[in-house]
Amino acid sequence: NAGVTQTPKFRVLKTGQSMTLLCAQDMNHEYMYWYRQDPGMGLRLIHYSVGEGTTAKGEVPDGYNVSRLKKQNFLLGLESAAPSQTSVYFCASRERLAEANEQFFGPGTRLTVL
Amino acid sequence: GQSLEQPSEVTAVEGAIVQINCTYQTSGFYGLSWYQQHDGGAPTFLSYNGLDGLEETGRFSSFLSRSDSYGYLLLQELQMKDSASYFCAVRDIRAGSYQLTFGKGTKLSVIP
Repeated sequence: NAGVTQTPKFRVLKTGQSMTLLCAQDMNHEYMYWYRQDPGMGLRLIHYSVGEGTTAKGEVPDGYNVSRLKKQNFLLGLESAAPSQTSVYFCASRERLAEANEQFFGPGTRLTVL
Repeated sequence: GQSLEQPSEVTAVEGAIVQINCTYQTSGFYGLSWYQQHDGGAPTFLSYNGLDGLEETGRFSSFLSRSDSYGYLLLQELQMKDSASYFCAVRDIRAGSYQLTFGKGTKLSVIP
């Protein structure tokens, strides 16, 4: 039981390049989330999904796209990376009926855009 | 929207007790959670309060007062490994209760 995994762990991009971050969970969770974390800013929600084939915007969705083609995977795409997207990206998942709304986080992807 | 306020830094002595406060503003409050994050690590769930009162889990306790829009995390018998950032987060029913909004975090330093 690996929990939530993220690929890659580190990445350096040049401005304008594109990339996809992959999140996978093996807990059969319905809900999945993408956050970014910047120093002093806490965790901010980018996009989330409440089930396979569904996605919704969070607090800071601009410049990102997501897809949830399979229940266990949630992909985050950057079409044209900008230095402002330098951040640590966390994926999380949650059971649909979790009263405490406990979210399980992946180890993070550290992205630098030059 | 929602907003949460928590102190940015707290320092405490090993073996002591520390309280981290969190005040929030949201019109659709559904619960307050606490997460711990060590440097370079991922956030991990600590506790949840859906109703007023105290929830205890080992050395950690969390309190909620919905009438005051206030909660706190209490850490007892502090250990060096408790040095980490602690985030409060609110669950907002208006967002279908799917989302959490996080505070900016409190960095706790435990000193010998």
